[in-house]
Amino acid sequence: GAVVSQHPSRVICKSGTSVKIECRSLDFQATTMFWYRQFPKQSLMLMATSNEGSKATYEQGVEKDKFLINHASLTLSTLTVTSAHPEDSSFYICSARREVAHNEQFFGPGTRLTVL
Amino acid sequence: AQSVTQLGSHVSVSEGALVLLRCNYSSSVPPYLFWYVQYPNQGLQLLLKYTSAATLVKGINGFEAEFKKSETSFHLTKPSAHMSDAAEYFCAVSEARGAQKLVFGQGTRLTINP
Repeated sequence: GAVVSQHPSRVICKSGTSVKIECRSLDFQATTMFWYRQFPKQSLMLMATSNEGSKATYEQGVEKDKFLINHASLTLSTLTVTSAHPEDSSFYICSARREVAHNEQFFGPGTRLTVL
Repeated sequence: AQSVTQLGSHVSVSEGALVLLRCNYSSSVPPYLFWYVQYPNQGLQLLLKYTSAATLVKGINGFEAEFKKSETSFHLTKPSAHMSDAAEYFCAVSEARGAQKLVFGQGTRLTINP
């Protein structure tokens, strides 16, 4: 159990377009999902915390109008990179928290975004 | 604020040898501690976690870690390395309560020599 999926796994887009990434918890309900960004050979940096039915909480330095997060249901959160530019190219990973008591988070397989 | 330091960005061991990946943390509140493994172009898989129960934690694939409060450490070990253990390993800390955001270390790339 505890599977998290992401779609798409890889996307290439032109500069100026918007890209939507979906994160789904397949076999459990997640009131909280997290979005991370990972640059090549670097660690994961938390971008935002997404709570079902409420606005996301963004980390300092992350533009909320650039990275739109929607958590419309207990099993789906989406990240939309608006007006993407080459510097937005990165590996985006989501996680879903199944249990608050032990901060049990399960990670998706990631989405590689390349902006030309 | 919390932080994690992983000593050694790259560790190389021979197949069958002991694996030791070092992690030190800083936290002003009781922490939860985690070790994750990442294979190329994939997400993270939880190896083990410390959540204020037993200080010696056993995880998957033969890995274990010991929480040492006095040393603020949570080093990951495995008695005998396998070729399949080659991957990137991340140590992470979170608060036991509240937002529980995970703060990751910079990662350690483990290479296994045949």
